[in-house]
Amino acid sequence: GQNIDQPTEMTATEGAIVQINCTYQTSGFNGLFWYQQHAGEAPTFLSYNVLDGLEEKGRFSSFLSRSKGYSYLLLKELQMKDSASYLCAGMDSNYQLIWGAGTKLIIKP
Amino acid sequence: GAVVSQHPSWVICKSGTSVKIECRSLDFQATTMFWYRQFPKQSLMLMATSNEGSKATYEQGVEKDKFLINHASLTLSTLTVTSAHPEDSSFYICSARGGSGDSYEQYFGPGTRLTVT
Repeated sequence: GQNIDQPTEMTATEGAIVQINCTYQTSGFNGLFWYQQHAGEAPTFLSYNVLDGLEEKGRFSSFLSRSKGYSYLLLKELQMKDSASYLCAGMDSNYQLIWGAGTKLIIKP
Repeated sequence: GAVVSQHPSWVICKSGTSVKIECRSLDFQATTMFWYRQFPKQSLMLMATSNEGSKATYEQGVEKDKFLINHASLTLSTLTVTSAHPEDSSFYICSARGGSGDSYEQYFGPGTRLTVT
C-alpha cells in the first residue's frame, strides 16, 4: 500500500532551526512535495524534490533520499509566522499525490 | 505565479439543499483539477480527479451521485454537493495542474468552508 508518515506535532523556539521528517511508500515515485498550511487556509507550495539531495530556498530547505524513502524539510531562523501545518506528499506513478497527515509546528517566543 | 480561485469562500445552507462550488485557474490552463475535503485537524482527503472534457474519477468511498463534478473547460471545474447534510460540513479545496513541462505542482484554491444546518 501507499503511505506517508510524518510526526503529528513539533515545537520549536523562535530563531532556531527545526527539521520535519517524512518517510514515504508509494507505487512508483515521481517526486516529493512539501506544502505549508495555516489554520483555515489552503496549502501553499514550498518545495518539490525528485532527485536525491538538498534543495535550498531561502530559510527553507528540503532533502530527499530515494533509496531510503525519506525526506525532510528544514526551517531556519524560525519566525512566529512559521507556525503552521507542514504537509508531505509523495507523487506516485500515476502522478497522484499521496498526502501525509501533516505536522503541526508550534513556534514559541 | 499560477493562481486558482474558488467561489464562494464560505457558504451556509440548509439540510437537503444543493451547493455549487466553482474552481477557476486564472492564468493557466488546468488540464487536471482535483477536489479535496478536509475535516478539522485532519489531512487533505482527495475526493476526485477531473480532466477537462471527461468524467471525473472518484476516490473509493466518495459518492459520485452526491458530489457532482463538471470540468467543462480548461479553466473551470465545479463541485456540486447535492442534498447536503450536516455531515457534509467541511472545508472543500480544489487544486489545478497544468499539462506541460516537468512540474507536476498542484496549485491550490483558497478553499470553501461549507456549513450545513
